[in-house]
Amino acid sequence: GAVVSQHPSWVICKSGTSVKIECRSLDFQATTMFWYRQFPKQSLMLMATSNEGSKATYEQGVEKDKFLINHASLTLSTLTVTSAHPEDSSFYICSANYRGNTGELFFGEGSRLTVL
Amino acid sequence: QQQVKQSPQSLIVQKGGISIINCAYENTAFDYFPWYQQFPGKGPALLIAIRPDVSEKKEGRFTISFNKSAKQFSLHIMDSQPGDSATYFCAASKETGGFKTIFGAGTRLFVKA
Repeated sequence: GAVVSQHPSWVICKSGTSVKIECRSLDFQATTMFWYRQFPKQSLMLMATSNEGSKATYEQGVEKDKFLINHASLTLSTLTVTSAHPEDSSFYICSANYRGNTGELFFGEGSRLTVL
Repeated sequence: QQQVKQSPQSLIVQKGGISIINCAYENTAFDYFPWYQQFPGKGPALLIAIRPDVSEKKEGRFTISFNKSAKQFSLHIMDSQPGDSATYFCAASKETGGFKTIFGAGTRLFVKA
């Protein structure tokens, strides 16, 4: 099966700093990647759709200047949480599908961000 | 974003029993309905999925029942096992939208040994 790797798996940072999370498709080219945010015991909330070579499409209510997404290649998308605050603490999960796929999303292991 | 409604929020089933989770959707443009399984601290993984042109799909102990007219679908887990204890999410997407997937609220299943 397709493998999506996410790094780091957990990160602790001070309030006001920026944190970058990487999402890589290891054995396939991902034309589209999706970034989700998940609070404890809650559902996955779609933040944005990342397309290789173009600007990300953000969901309503998601601050694009706060959550910078870059999809530099067909195997890498990055999410940067800028000027992080404690309320940004969450579990961030990326997912990808690939050309010709039936619709299945392949998820990374997630990145747990804690902002002190 | 709440276009997919899922119930129950939590479910306790005896080992060997049947677990049933229900979902309803609003957008008739959705054409792909997956169920994902998530263990604590991990990303979700696809369990089974269905397209709206069929009413039922079975894979091993897992079955999706789909009612297009009612805009509802459900997951049945037969012979539930303690290892099935996890959170289950129904979801929906559409191919024309690049399979942007919207998730239900999730059901925490606990199977008692």
